[in-house]
Amino acid sequence: EADIYQTPRYLVIGTGKKITLECSQTMGHDKMYWYQQDPGMELHLIHYSYGVNSTEKGDLSSESTVSRIRTEHFPLTLESARPSHTSQYLCASNRLAGYNEQFFGPGTRLTVL
Amino acid sequence: TQLLEQSPQFLSIQEGENLTVYCNSSSVFSSLQWYRQEPGEGPVLLVTVVTGGEVKKLKRLTFQFGDARKDSSLHITAAQPGDTGLYLCAGRNSGNTPLVFGKGTRLSVIA
Repeated sequence: EADIYQTPRYLVIGTGKKITLECSQTMGHDKMYWYQQDPGMELHLIHYSYGVNSTEKGDLSSESTVSRIRTEHFPLTLESARPSHTSQYLCASNRLAGYNEQFFGPGTRLTVL
Repeated sequence: TQLLEQSPQFLSIQEGENLTVYCNSSSVFSSLQWYRQEPGEGPVLLVTVVTGGEVKKLKRLTFQFGDARKDSSLHITAAQPGDTGLYLCAGRNSGNTPLVFGKGTRLSVIA
């Protein structure tokens, strides 16, 4: 069973607010990812990290930023939320070695009014 | 950009029927994974296949990796309502590259 956590699970906020979505994993995984997904639709990779102090942008352009100060923690920040940011945000992690099976958190459902 | 094409995009069947979903690419993958996602949750890994021609079984689910490692299929025998969900295939080309995900097959099994 994967030990990867996301908070909050649901968030409804107004336009212009700054928000941080939290993601933590207790598996000691080096690689972590953030995906954006509209309900029932495909996953879009927005950020990933190979380890502490490493961050990369994914395939989907995003106005969010990430940081990786600790191995277990990979928060995503939106400086000024807009209605177009309304979506589900999924965090995932995997080890550097092996077949890189990816473990996902439960997601944060964000609604920006 | 590597692409994984999944088909069908949507599938609605009656309980007890068999079904197959496909994941195809023009690229070779070193490994391929299948995930299932239920509404409001994150995807959960079902299986990883790594060898061309490999077949893996998970209860009523049978996964196959193509001989050339460019495609894969998922066959479900005697589908049940609990099989309902979004099925995603994902492939990795080499070591440290991020997974490439297909767009998914949305399966609905009606009792």
